[in-house]
Amino acid sequence: DAKTTQPPSMDCAEGRAANLPCNHSTISGNEYVYWYRQIHSQGPQYIIHGLKNNETNEMASLIITEDRKSSTLILPHATLRDTAVYYCIVRYAGGTSYGKLTFGQGTILTVHP
Amino acid sequence: NAGVTQTPKFRILKIGQSMTLQCTQDMNHNYMYWYRQDPGMGLKLIYYSVGAGITDKGEVPNGYNVSRSTTEDFPLRLELAAPSQTSVYFCASSPPGGASQPQHFGDGTRLSIL
Repeated sequence: DAKTTQPPSMDCAEGRAANLPCNHSTISGNEYVYWYRQIHSQGPQYIIHGLKNNETNEMASLIITEDRKSSTLILPHATLRDTAVYYCIVRYAGGTSYGKLTFGQGTILTVHP
Repeated sequence: NAGVTQTPKFRILKIGQSMTLQCTQDMNHNYMYWYRQDPGMGLKLIYYSVGAGITDKGEVPNGYNVSRSTTEDFPLRLELAAPSQTSVYFCASSPPGGASQPQHFGDGTRLSIL
C-alpha cells in the first residue's frame, strides 16, 4: 500500500477554510485516496474519498493533483467542532476484497475562535 | 439513523476473565470489521467478515474470536483477557465494493484489563 505523509499539526481560524495537505507520491493507479477524522474519544468519521477526480460533498472538498501524488482536503468554513485528527489514507482496490484501511498518525487540526 | 452501535462503551476486566464486545449495524452492510486502537496509535485490524458465516483474520487476531451468524451482528470475543488487550475497540461496516466503499465506524468500546 502507498504510504502517506501529513504535517503533524495545523491551526485554522474559525470561519476560514482549512486546507490539509497529504503527500502520497508512491500511489498506484488503482488506489483510492480517503480522508477520515477522529474527534477525541469518538470513532473515526468518514469525510470523503476519490480516485482521480476532485470530489465534493456536504462536509468537504478533495483536490487530487493531476499526477495523483498529493491531495488536499478542504473544509470550506471551519468551526470549533472541526478540531480533530485528520487521516489521509490510500486504499488499494485490488487484493483483499474489503480494501485494506490503514490509519497513520494523521494531522491534528486545531480551530481557534 | 443508528448506523453502527457498540456495547458496552466502557468495561474493566480482570486478567483471565472473558467477555464479548457487541456490534450491530442497521445499514444492511455485508462487510464488517473489528479494529483496536492503542493510545497515540493508529487503528489495527483484528478480524473482518464479508458476510454471514464468513470471517477472516486481520493484522492482530491473536487472543480474539469472532462469529457472524447474521448480517447485522458481529460480536468480538476475548478469551483469557491480558493487560496487552487494554485498548479502544472499534467496529465498522461497509457495503460490498472493496476500496471504493467507505467504512463507517461505531463510537468504540474502551476496555481496561487490570
